[in-house]
Parts: sequence; structure tokens; C-alpha cells
Amino acid sequence: KQEVTQIPAALSVPEGENLVLNCSFTDSAIYNLQWFRQDPGKGLTSLLLIQSSQREQTSGRLNASLDKSSGRSTLYIAASQPGDSATYLCAAGAGGTSYGKLTFGQGTILTVHP
Amino acid sequence: SQTIHQWPATLVQPVGSPLSLECTVEGTSNPNLYWYRQAAGRGLQLLFYSVGIGQISSEVPQNLSASRPQDRQFILSSKKLLLSDSGFYLCAWSARGLLSYEQYFGPGTRLTVT
Repeated sequence: KQEVTQIPAALSVPEGENLVLNCSFTDSAIYNLQWFRQDPGKGLTSLLLIQSSQREQTSGRLNASLDKSSGRSTLYIAASQPGDSATYLCAAGAGGTSYGKLTFGQGTILTVHP
Repeated sequence: SQTIHQWPATLVQPVGSPLSLECTVEGTSNPNLYWYRQAAGRGLQLLFYSVGIGQISSEVPQNLSASRPQDRQFILSSKKLLLSDSGFYLCAWSARGLLSYEQYFGPGTRLTVT
């Protein structure tokens, strides 16, 4: 059974800092790894998707990497802004007849203060 | 573009009452559909997924059921709610035929069972 862990559980940084969020998973036979952002009381916004054959994906100030062999993914946020404050969730996706079912970590609560 | 809707946005129901939550997707055909629950202090958990009309797979034995009466409609139901059914219910979709299985989430329904 896949288990996903995110470290740290919470992070508070001043504006402008570069930061790294960590995600680990126990079963390396993942199909993809997806990072989401969740604002309080809201649904999830997809940030980045990394297929199992890829090493990283970039979107603007966000960069996500994937190391299947070690069961790890990181989300790098450059030049953080107060608007980045949210909960960040990583999820390991299963393929084949599992049709992309996601197993989520508990999330990292990020606070960026001015 | 694709849009996913959920209603109601908020619901307060007494223990023992029935439940019906609805999710609809616009702008795509034959999507894979998913129901997740986010309970207080717990991560997001997959409840059901569907790859076609009338095709439902259950992930966790529980007090809930799901149905897909139309291609882009997914319904979550219960005959008698329990206190433990309280939580934030999220519907998601992924494109059929695309092997990425990238999932996109709706705005969610906040259910409080009293």
C-alpha cells in the first residue's frame, strides 16, 4: 500500500526566500507525481505533474523534481511571495487499471510573511 | 475549456439523514471521475472512482455509495449519515485517453453531520 509523507508539516518564511518542500513515497512503482496547492476552504489547484519517466517539471517560479529510485520528490519555490501562502500537497498516482488514483500526503502549510 | 462543478457548497445534516452530493464536468467527454474526502486531521482519501457510466469502483468500505448516471455526472450518496461522515468532499476528473491521468479538482462540498 502506497504511503506518502510530506516534510515539513509547516513552514514560515520571509518574503523573497527560496524554499523547498519535500515529499516521499514508499512504493516506487508510481505512474506520476502531482503537486497541488490548496487555499483555506477551497478545492485543489494542480501546480505540476511529473510523469514517472521524467526527472523534473517547471512552471514559472515553481520547479518539481522526481527521484523514483529513492522515493522522493521536491517542490522548489523561488523568490517566495505572500500570495504563495497555502497548503501544498503532493500525491502519488497509480496507472494501468488504477486509472490515476492518487495517494496524498498530509501537506505542508506554507506561510510567507511580508 | 473544462469546468467542474460541485453542489451544494455547504451542507449541515443531522445524523441518520440521507445525503446526495453532485458533481458535473463540462467541456470534456468520457472523463474519469473521482470522489475524495478530506476529514479534519486526516489527509485526502480516495473514496470512489469511475471510468464510465454505471462503472463505479470503491476504495474504502464505508457508509457511502456513488453513482454515475450520465457521462459527466457523478453523485455521492448515503442512506443514513454518521458523525464520521463529516468532512470536505472533493470531486475530480482526468481526461480519458490521455495517459497523463492529471487530475483537476472541483471547489468541494463542506459537510457537517450534527
